[in-house]
Formats: sequence, structure tokens, C-alpha cells
Amino acid sequence: DGGITQSPKYLFRKEGQNVTLSCEQNLNHDAMYWYRQDPGQGLRLIYYSQIVNDFQKGDIAEGYSVSREKKESFPLTVTSAQKNPTAFYLCASSMGLAGGGGELFFGEGSRLTVL
Amino acid sequence: QKEVEQNSGPLSVPEGAIASLNCTYSDRGSQSFFWYRQYSGKSPELIMSIYSNGDKEDGRFTAQLNKASQYVSLLIRDSQPSDSATYLCAVNMGGGAQKLVFGQGTRLTINP
Repeated sequence: DGGITQSPKYLFRKEGQNVTLSCEQNLNHDAMYWYRQDPGQGLRLIYYSQIVNDFQKGDIAEGYSVSREKKESFPLTVTSAQKNPTAFYLCASSMGLAGGGGELFFGEGSRLTVL
Repeated sequence: QKEVEQNSGPLSVPEGAIASLNCTYSDRGSQSFFWYRQYSGKSPELIMSIYSNGDKEDGRFTAQLNKASQYVSLLIRDSQPSDSATYLCAVNMGGGAQKLVFGQGTRLTINP
């Protein structure tokens, strides 16, 4: 079955630690995205990537980093520079940036809690 | 002013009735509009997209778009308890999917 796999589903981190969230897709989609969702708020774009070895900052990139070494994979690192990292993180993909303009497929999400 | 605005609810509707969810947006040049459903603790899933003025129907769901009023709505007919979820309105403010802006969502509860 095609889809997007995120891991881990739940993650606890101490302040000052970096953590990496995994995102893998087998939909053969070119574009991948990372969003952050806080309670009662909409999704906010952290980073996105159109093609391998290229990615762009979204609206709230500070304190985060990404890589896109393979088409299938788009991991997100939450660094210690992120002031308020506790949130629900969602990885998504689409055929391309232009495809549909908003028809995204989401992974199941990773819930990060900073202790 | 928020770019995409929704009433956060909760909106309670009796089973079998019509649920009406509303969304307004600020960018008059927006071209594509989407409704996502998100169950509690889960990820969003796309249920409707609409690109031109008027109505678009898909089963029990109808999306309505009025670009002049900068207003998009989602109607759910014959509401079922399984429709209880948060509904996110998303508007593409020009260009690719990286320009997608989400509203904060409306929490809908269908009462048996």
C-alpha cells in the first residue's frame, strides 16, 4: 500500500537536545512538506522540498533543519534553538508543488513533548 | 486579520441534520480551496477541493465557493456520528502547494 510513514509517533525530549523525525513516502511524489500543528491552530509550514537535494524554508523554519537526499525521504531535525518545540508534527507529500495547489497526503504525525 | 478564518466551534448538530461549516479568506487572488477532515489525534485527510464559483457535490458533501465574497463553505447532509471531527479549510494564496494557508479548524460534533 502506498503512503507516508512517520516515526516515531511519540517522542519525549529534554531541553537542549536535538531530535530527528523520520518521514518516508512510497507514493513517488516529488514534493514533500513538514507542518507543525499546535492545539486550536491550523497547520503552519516549516520546510518544503520540490526535488532531491533542494528544499526551501516555510513560514516558521527557525530552529528546524531538513535534508532531502532521496526522493522517498524528508527527515526533520528539531534543534535546541527551537524555543517551543512541543507540538504535533505532520509530514505531507504531493505530486508536485503545482499539482492541485493543495492536494496533500499526510503521514500519521509525530507528537513531540519537551520535558 | 487572519488570512483564513473559521469559527473554531464546537458546532453541535443532531444526527441526520445538515452541518454547515464556513470559512473566509483575505487574499482576493486565491484560486484553489480545500476542506480537510481531521479526527482527534490523527492527521488531516482531504475530502473536498473546489476551484470555481458555485457548488461541488461529492456524496453527502457539498463545497460552495463565492470568490466575490471571499467565502467558502462545506455542507454535510444526513450527518452521521462518524462525521464528528475537526474540519480544516485551506486556501492556496497563489502558486504551488507551499502557498497553502490553513484555518484553525472547526470542531464538529454530531449528536446521536
